[in-house]
Amino acid sequence: EPEVTQTPSHQVTQMGQEVILRCVPISNHLYFYWYRQILGQKVEFLVSFYNNEISEKSEIFDDQFSVERPDGSNFTLKIRSTKLEDSAMYFCASSENMQETQYFGPGTRLLVL
Amino acid sequence: AQKITQTQPGMFVQEKEAVTLDCTYDTSDQSYGLFWYKQPSSGEMIFLIYQGSYDEQNATEGRYSLNFQKARKSANLVISASQLGDSAMYFCAMTKYYTGANSKLTFGKGITLSVRP
Repeated sequence: EPEVTQTPSHQVTQMGQEVILRCVPISNHLYFYWYRQILGQKVEFLVSFYNNEISEKSEIFDDQFSVERPDGSNFTLKIRSTKLEDSAMYFCASSENMQETQYFGPGTRLLVL
Repeated sequence: AQKITQTQPGMFVQEKEAVTLDCTYDTSDQSYGLFWYKQPSSGEMIFLIYQGSYDEQNATEGRYSLNFQKARKSANLVISASQLGDSAMYFCAMTKYYTGANSKLTFGKGITLSVRP
């Protein structure tokens, strides 16, 4: 069964460094999302992406963050100048259509020291 | 704005018994979707079941069913014949549907379910 994949599964970085989290959505899906989950807290929406553009972003998704679909399969989240509070699990999700179920990847656990 | 409320403390159920996990939501939208996801200790988010606001029938997927009461704005998940592997965190989520935009999910804070042998 097709699934969303994410790499790396774990990332440790120093405060102030840049990280790139990678996702490969399900191949026929057109809508892509990033969410994050700070330890012990609920899952929060960051950004949605369609047709090579951001569709919607939350107030969390400030200038520190960017997303890109560099080729036909990858979808990336870049976090510039990481802060301690960026430590979280980051989930990528994709859906076939706008109103279809979003399927989540296994997540990347980011730890900023 | 949409809001999902999951207020139950940690839930416990005996293996092979049924359990209901509560979810209430608040929205002024007429067209929306409700979802349940399971998050085991390994951390991934697994889609379980979906209910559309215009669906007349309650959704079912194997051992999972959704008790949808639109007037009460509740969407409780029922797990029948609990298994040890059902021990996990369960999240209720919703999205609103409107033209020309991706449907972001709004999540509740989750409920921990522990299945006892």
